[in-house]
Formats: sequence, structure tokens, C-alpha cells
Amino acid sequence: NAGVTQTPKFQVLKTGQSMTLQCAQDMNHEYMSWYRQDPGMGLRLIHYSVGAGITDQGEVPNGYNVSRSTTEDFPLRLLSAAPSQTSVYFCASRTGGSGGTEAFFGQGTRLTVV
Amino acid sequence: SQQGEEDPQALSIQEGENATMNCSYKTSINNLQWYRQNSGRGLVHLILIRSNEREKHSGRLRVTLDTSKKSSSLLITASRAADTASYFCATPGISGTYKYIFGTGTRLKVLA
Repeated sequence: NAGVTQTPKFQVLKTGQSMTLQCAQDMNHEYMSWYRQDPGMGLRLIHYSVGAGITDQGEVPNGYNVSRSTTEDFPLRLLSAAPSQTSVYFCASRTGGSGGTEAFFGQGTRLTVV
Repeated sequence: SQQGEEDPQALSIQEGENATMNCSYKTSINNLQWYRQNSGRGLVHLILIRSNEREKHSGRLRVTLDTSKKSSSLLITASRAADTASYFCATPGISGTYKYIFGTGTRLKVLA
């Protein structure tokens, strides 16, 4: 099993450009999430999904879009990149369950917006 | 706003010593999780403790949960240089376990 795969690992964008960060998991997990990690801020939830066709906003959704057309994939779109979106982005997946379940993380995408 | 806050923010100890880090949260939860992050890498799940559990062990890790104080602690015994990492607690958001909120983390450095 590959687990959670994120691409690309590194990306430099110019202000105003758009791009899509890819996330794929091969564990048939219902739940998928996107986080951003900034120094001193920990991880902040951007968007999440509880199944194909179902997405919702997290703590910091502005400037990002998501969709979930399949169980496996959960891409994150930056509509018009801004320097404030410079960060490390992590995708995570887990099974559902009311008692809580372990999340599996990708290795991250380091994004710089200039 | 973040649900969990770790304390201390940074911790430096000698190899062989024990490391204790704490997590406080704000709302009622039914479970709490701890994760480790090595520099530049993704997070790795360490342990999950449910609200009806007071203590849980996994190898050299011991986690406690005090729901009355809304706090948890992670103890790493007999630390090794390889334990150098950041440690995060994660708790379900207000709407339930659909999403998890992470704290700001404790940076642990174990000196050989």
C-alpha cells in the first residue's frame, strides 16, 4: 500500500497563479482532510470530506476549493495564489467511526508564493 | 481557534530521561489522539485514548486523559535521540469526529 500520496512535493508560484495540489489514498478511507502548517501555528484545517461528493469547510477555507469525485482523490485548488498561502500543506485520510480513528498523513507539499 | 494547546512549546532533555508534554482542550470530546512529526515529514499517529479511558500505554509511551480538567499528557520514558520530533495532540471539532483540530505542538529535542 502506498498510503496517502501528495504531489508535487515542492512548488513555487507567482502571485495570482492557480494550481491544484493532488492527494490520493489507496486505503478506501471515507474521510479526507487538508491542513496547512505554518511556523508557530500548528496544523490548521482547510477543508475536509466525509465521502465522495461531500465536502465542508474547516478553519481557514478562504482562497481554496476542494471536490471529491472519487473515494481515492481529494485535490486542493488554489484559485489565485497569494503570499499568505506560502505554507506546507498536508493531506490526511482515515476511516469513519464515531469513536475516533487514526489519521494517515501524506508527506506534504511545500508551497512558496512569490 | 484551536482546540488543543500543548505545553511546553519546546523541551530539551538528555537521552535516557523521561519527557512529559501536556495538552489542554476546550470542549467535551469522546477521544484524543497524539501524533509525532519528524522534521520536514508528515505526521505519524502514536496513540488514541477514548473519553472513558484514563490511561493508555504503547511501548515507551504513556498517555493519560483527565476529562474533568480537559487535559491530557504524553510521557515518553527512557528517551532516545530518535524521539527528537514535534508532538501534537488532536481532538474532534465541535461538530463531532468528522474533523480533527490539532494543537501547536511541543518540539522535543533529545540530546545524545
